[in-house]
Amino acid sequence: LAKTTQPISMDSYEGQEVNITCSHNNIATNDYITWYQQFPSQGPRFIIQGYKTKVTNEVASLFIPADRKSSTLSLPRVSLSDTAVYYCLVGDRTYSGAGSYQLTFGKGTKLSVIP
Amino acid sequence: DVKVTQSSRYLVKRTGEKVFLECVQDMDHENMFWYRQDPGLGLRLIYFSYDVKMKEKGDIPEGYSVSREKKERFSLILESASTNQTSMYLCASTPAGSNQPQHFGDGTRLSIL
Repeated sequence: LAKTTQPISMDSYEGQEVNITCSHNNIATNDYITWYQQFPSQGPRFIIQGYKTKVTNEVASLFIPADRKSSTLSLPRVSLSDTAVYYCLVGDRTYSGAGSYQLTFGKGTKLSVIP
Repeated sequence: DVKVTQSSRYLVKRTGEKVFLECVQDMDHENMFWYRQDPGLGLRLIYFSYDVKMKEKGDIPEGYSVSREKKERFSLILESASTNQTSMYLCASTPAGSNQPQHFGDGTRLSIL
């Protein structure tokens, strides 16, 4: 099943837009793409999920090209509080025929926002 | 809002002890998961359960067991704790079905001395 690749770290200044790209060349037809955010000493928190084209919520936007082999998480006008690790997940295993699970978090992208 | 509660935020135990980590979710989710997170290694799946009394091994099940007697509660058991099990342990839950985002607890930081 599919694996993801994303940059280990990124730096950005406050107020800038940040784009984090994730590649998932072997994504399955039925799989969605899910992004999480994790602050130190907390569990990951779901940010956004999409299947194709563009998804937007109050926190972020997710851009997915037609071939779905990559996706880009866009954080508009970041602040210091956006400093966190961001994970991109796609379906990476099945169990007991019960559908596709997204359980491989990898090391994520550590975003540092600079004043 | 989904609430996943882990019984302890910090825990200190001794080598050889039997350790229980408890997790409770309040949204009637079918699936529950246990991960550990270590610096430089990210989150790694230990076990998960897709129904009461049902479990599946994750990527690193050695040295651990789990119990799910009730739908809302999922316990991780360290049969004989060792120092290499010092870690942050995270519990999560999802409804049944594919592509379900996980809801995480705040974690238990376990130290084995």
